[in-house]
Amino acid sequence: DTGVSQDPRHKITKRGQNVTFRCDPISEHNRLYWYRQTLGQGPEFLTYFQNEAQLEKSRLLSDRFSAERPKGSFSTLEIQRTEQGDSAMYLCASSLAGVVNEQFFGPGTRLTVL
Amino acid sequence: AQSVSQHNHHVILSEAASLELGCNYSYGGTVNLFWYVQYPGQHLQLLLKYFSGDPLVKGIKGFEAEFIKSKFSFNLRKPSVQWSDTAEYFCAVKSGRGSTLGRLYFGRGTQLTVWP
Repeated sequence: DTGVSQDPRHKITKRGQNVTFRCDPISEHNRLYWYRQTLGQGPEFLTYFQNEAQLEKSRLLSDRFSAERPKGSFSTLEIQRTEQGDSAMYLCASSLAGVVNEQFFGPGTRLTVL
Repeated sequence: AQSVSQHNHHVILSEAASLELGCNYSYGGTVNLFWYVQYPGQHLQLLLKYFSGDPLVKGIKGFEAEFIKSKFSFNLRKPSVQWSDTAEYFCAVKSGRGSTLGRLYFGRGTQLTVWP
């Protein structure tokens, strides 16, 4: 399968713990995006990278959240000092650069904060 | 910031019925428009997209959507639904200006249930 992959698929953690998620984009895609989706809502944009450069961050991305894409390939999203409100599905997508290119989504990581 | 409204949260149809799902967006400039679908247990997949040209776009599985600029709308249609169309449908918009070229703005989704 050459689609976007995410790991882990599910994560249960206690409030206050740190968690890290990984996303592997489609290999030739230079853009990578993170979204968050809560129950009954559509995905909300968090941040995106073009190669290793983080080009945009949403105001949703508080200082407890950090994302990296060190070599322009896979990306990690870390949440420090998790809160119950962080419980959500975290989606990763990738695309080629350019206005007309669609974003391909991964299966997501479901985070539950107890 | 862009906002996207999907008017129907849950639609229930019988097989062979016609479908129209509404989508309106707020930004009046250049936009790119998408419909994504999420089948049960699967990830988001693109149904169709509009970038320019003919405002009536055709997608996979017999779906089509019409971009009406004057109404800020991009409604999804299918003349005859099947049980296998049961899924959640998301409208998404990308505004074509400045540093927000990358992000998609999504509506909250419409759950479609088709009874056989």
